[in-house]
Amino acid sequence: GAVVSQHPSWVICKSGTSVKIECRSLDFQATTMFWYRQFPKQSLMLMATSNEGSKATYEQGVEKDKFLINHASLTLSTLTVTSAHPEDSSFYICSAARTGSEAFFGQGTRLTVV
Amino acid sequence: GENVEQHPSTLSVQEGDSAVIKCTYSDSASNYFPWYKQELGKGPQLIIDIRSNVGEKKDQRIAVTLNKTAKHFSLHITETQPEDSAVYFCAASPEQLTFGSGTQLTVLP
Repeated sequence: GAVVSQHPSWVICKSGTSVKIECRSLDFQATTMFWYRQFPKQSLMLMATSNEGSKATYEQGVEKDKFLINHASLTLSTLTVTSAHPEDSSFYICSAARTGSEAFFGQGTRLTVV
Repeated sequence: GENVEQHPSTLSVQEGDSAVIKCTYSDSASNYFPWYKQELGKGPQLIIDIRSNVGEKKDQRIAVTLNKTAKHFSLHITETQPEDSAVYFCAASPEQLTFGSGTQLTVLP
């Protein structure tokens, strides 16, 4: 199957700092990548959709100035949480779409803001 | 937009028994229905998927059925094993995935 690598798997940062999360499709080119947020015992909440070379499309209620997404190539997308606060602590997951609607997920990043 | 409902939210079965998880969707334009398994602290893993031109698909102990008329699809796991214990998500997609709320499956040894 297709492999999507997400890094780091966990990160602890101080309140007010920024954190960058990387998502790479290792063995295929992903025209579209997605970023999700997941709270404990809940489903995945789509934050934004990014297409290579263009601006990300954010879901309603997601602050685009706080969650910066860059999709610089067909194999790499990054999510930067700017000026992080404790309420941003969550599990962030990326996925990359291969063909049609097939999507493969990274292993997730546990962000803790202290 | 698409709305996906998933039931049950929790399911406990004895090892060796079968487990069935059901989902309904609202958008008749949805044509792709994947199922994901998520273990604690990990990202979802695609375990099986089905497209709208197929009614049933099977992969070893896992099968998925789709009823387009009724707009529902189901995951069937036979001969369950303790390692099947996880959260399972269904999803439906006309263009991008909409997820169900998840089912916590526990297989009791």
